[in-house]
Amino acid sequence: DAKTTQPNSMESNEEEPVHLPCNHSTISGTDYIHWYRQLPSQGPEYVIHGLTSNVNNRMASLAIAEDRKSSTLILHRATLRDAAVYYCILYNAGKSTFGDGTTLTVKP
Amino acid sequence: NAGVTQTPKFRILKIGQSMTLQCTQDMNHNYMYWYRQDPGMGLKLIYYSVGAGITDKGEVPNGYNVSRSTTEDFPLRLELAAPSQTSVYFCASSYSQGGYGYTFGSGTRLTVV
Repeated sequence: DAKTTQPNSMESNEEEPVHLPCNHSTISGTDYIHWYRQLPSQGPEYVIHGLTSNVNNRMASLAIAEDRKSSTLILHRATLRDAAVYYCILYNAGKSTFGDGTTLTVKP
Repeated sequence: NAGVTQTPKFRILKIGQSMTLQCTQDMNHNYMYWYRQDPGMGLKLIYYSVGAGITDKGEVPNGYNVSRSTTEDFPLRLELAAPSQTSVYFCASSYSQGGYGYTFGSGTRLTVV
């Protein structure tokens, strides 16, 4: 299964933008890029996904490199409630591998 | 619309005991999954199912069994519980197409003593 690589941790100040990177150099043409976040003591929550084009929704934006070997989750204005572990995964017919994710700390 | 429902939320087992973790979804998703998450770590896939009657192993299947008799239910069976199975277990479901995300349950926290 294709793997993703993310930094272990990142920090941000409240109300500033946050760019969370993900490398997926072994991505195949049919893999979707999904992002999830996990708040303490909760199950992961879907954030956003994309295939080739950049995507926006009410929670975040997803920027996908032209060669699809990397992507960036963008939180436009971080809030304290955005402090969580963020997972980038490749989805293809269901069997996806979750790495350890990026722990985002938001400072007031 | 309840989504993915897991029971129980907490359980303490003694070494060698058995139990079944229940998972039910009401979204008519064809794919269902069981993950475990050890403290401070990411999720590891135990088993998954692409439809009723079809199951397959994930990364860490040893010590577990599953069945999928209906679209809605995907129970996880632990036989002969061991301390190494102390973890938080998450059930999830999805459509098969990559354009739809996973929906996760709230988890079962299992301690084996």
